Amino acid sequence: QQQVKQSPQSLIVQKGGISIINCAYENTAFDYFPWYQQFPGKGPALLIAIRPDVSEKKEGRFTISFNKSAKQFSLHIMDSQPGDSATYFCAASLWMDSSYKLIFGSGTRLLVRP
Amino acid sequence: NAGVTQTPKFRVLKTGQSMTLLCAQDMNHEYMYWYRQDPGMGLRLIHYSVGEGTTAKGEVPDGYNVSRLKKQNFLLGLESAAPSQTSVYFCASGLLAGHTDTQYFGPGTRLTVL
Repeated sequence: QQQVKQSPQSLIVQKGGISIINCAYENTAFDYFPWYQQFPGKGPALLIAIRPDVSEKKEGRFTISFNKSAKQFSLHIMDSQPGDSATYFCAASLWMDSSYKLIFGSGTRLLVRP
Repeated sequence: NAGVTQTPKFRVLKTGQSMTLLCAQDMNHEYMYWYRQDPGMGLRLIHYSVGEGTTAKGEVPDGYNVSRLKKQNFLLGLESAAPSQTSVYFCASGLLAGHTDTQYFGPGTRLTVL
């Protein structure tokens, strides 16, 4: 119930295309859904996040769509660029053992071809 | 500000050897975390700390110990390394326990246990 399932495992997109990464969860106690971006050899860094009372959040070319009833959320990267090539992790925040924890998805490796 | 730093960047151990990974943050954050990252499994929480002098177990704590003697430092120890502990280890820190709190990650330590 504490899992966050992420797909696809890898994704190849042409420059200018749309990249879509999907995540699903079961535990309705999750109350915050961030996406982290990780470049090779670096640590993950927060990219964009959404609260469950909002259905969509957009920051530049990055958009999170959130479907509370389906318990699914997705990251859309519009006009994908080679510089977007990275691993993307969805996550969900949960109050557990007297503190908030982040439960991460398994990651999606995105390659944007020139 | 250096943010979150980790020492060492790479290490090779033989089975049964011990070592300590050091994490330091200069952002005055209360919360610190140790994760391990394995292919196809995302980031899994090993141990965490909600303040100086405190530690708690995460999702995969077996075989690891931690200490937080100073607010800015969080140490991860492997007393008797096993090949199953081959992984990339990330330290992270956060200001508050709030569910919208951003976790800031270090660059990682790649550990190989032979």
